[in-house]
Amino acid sequence: DQQVKQNSPSLSVQEGRISILNCDYTNSMFDYFLWYKKYPAEGPTFLISISSIKDKNEDGRFTVFLNKSAKHLSLHIVPSQPGDSAVYFCAASAPNTGNQFYFGTGTSLTVIP
Amino acid sequence: NAGVTQTPKFQVLKTGQSMTLQCAQDMNHNSMYWYRQDPGMGLRLIYYSASEGTTDKGEVPNGYNVSRLNKREFSLRLESAAPSQTSVYFCASSEAWDYEQYFGPGTRLTVT
Repeated sequence: DQQVKQNSPSLSVQEGRISILNCDYTNSMFDYFLWYKKYPAEGPTFLISISSIKDKNEDGRFTVFLNKSAKHLSLHIVPSQPGDSAVYFCAASAPNTGNQFYFGTGTSLTVIP
Repeated sequence: NAGVTQTPKFQVLKTGQSMTLQCAQDMNHNSMYWYRQDPGMGLRLIYYSASEGTTDKGEVPNGYNVSRLNKREFSLRLESAAPSQTSVYFCASSEAWDYEQYFGPGTRLTVT
């Protein structure tokens, strides 16, 4: 049973516009969330994180928002650049998940020049 | 600083054959992980090692064994490969279990 879901397999955005990638989770005990970016034939690379004590975390063009009541987080990329074209995974962990992160299925972002 | 390295990059096995996937990290991280990535399934944790000398099962451990050889190295063994184990395997490491993980480039394994 998928505890972390990314319901949009793909997303296309024009260069310079905002990209919004969404992630939903079912386990209310999740308290730490990560976003990873993955290019083809490479391993995922860490992008940004947020803990449940915050509802927003910002790092340059990347901002993650957490809505605990809705069990929803989103990654905003502003402005989007062609180099942002990649697969984005969200991941979540909780004190009761045995020291492991649960990953979503990924969203493939294409930024059109 | 190579980060996380994995060997081999590609492997084709026949059903029933065995092999070991090697992983090494040079970041002095305590925790190491093995994941598999399948289409439509995201990354699923096979085994992890929270610290040198310990290993634990993840979400999908059946058919695999691991060895934390030392702080740097964490290997994954398939004793009798099955077609269901065709996947891309990623090794990762982190300072501790609740820190961000650094991933290797992956091993693409095909079992025929």
